[in-house]
Amino acid sequence: QSVLTQPPSVSAAPGQKVTISCSGSSSNIGTNYVSWYQQLPGTAPKLLIYDNNKRPSGIPDRFSGSKSGTSATLGITGLQTGDEADYYCGTWDDSLTAGVFGTGTEVTV
Amino acid sequence: QVTLTESGPVLVKPTETLTLTCTVSGFSLTNAGLTVTWVRQPPGKALEWLAHVLSSDEKAYSTSLKTRLTISKDTSKSQVVLTMTNMDPVDTATYYCVRLVHGPFYYFMDVWGKGTTVTVSS
Repeated sequence: QSVLTQPPSVSAAPGQKVTISCSGSSSNIGTNYVSWYQQLPGTAPKLLIYDNNKRPSGIPDRFSGSKSGTSATLGITGLQTGDEADYYCGTWDDSLTAGVFGTGTEVTV
Repeated sequence: QVTLTESGPVLVKPTETLTLTCTVSGFSLTNAGLTVTWVRQPPGKALEWLAHVLSSDEKAYSTSLKTRLTISKDTSKSQVVLTMTNMDPVDTATYYCVRLVHGPFYYFMDVWGKGTTVTVSS
């Protein structure tokens, strides 16, 4: 049902880097800004990145976002065990006239 | 401080109508560019966007659920209400009320409620 496609899982050792891709289409990522959300186990999601690459106050610069064409990428450097969570991309879809989320990616450190 | 608090039944029976209320504080539902959206998450599954209502009262619904959803707001009470008809066990999920920041080309959710878990069972 998700319109945006993410890898189910990624993993890396502490201190290393991971990237998470989010693939969409011209009607969503191709036109609109992308946001990213972190969901720690048993908690509500939290905004991590908005407008493709901006970080809300309090989000460390270990987290970064980028967009190219109809795909977006979340990068996490200096991985910590506390980064183990599910990560979702999201945006607006002009064709569906609806908000859309990615399929979600589980990060294991 | 911005907060959003969901309220509603914990358990509903199949075919019943679910009514969820989101009470917000720290911002006004009359602010252009800020509003409330509903998102749900079935156990162990991904986030699913449901609906939003803008300050202009313009509404948008999930394509797959639009025949069952109704969203409305009461700005005087700082509340947004979501109703979902004909509930089914597959609608069992945690329902989140979320502050939405929106404008030309941007659409993101910056403050999330804690969520309310709804179980559909007879």
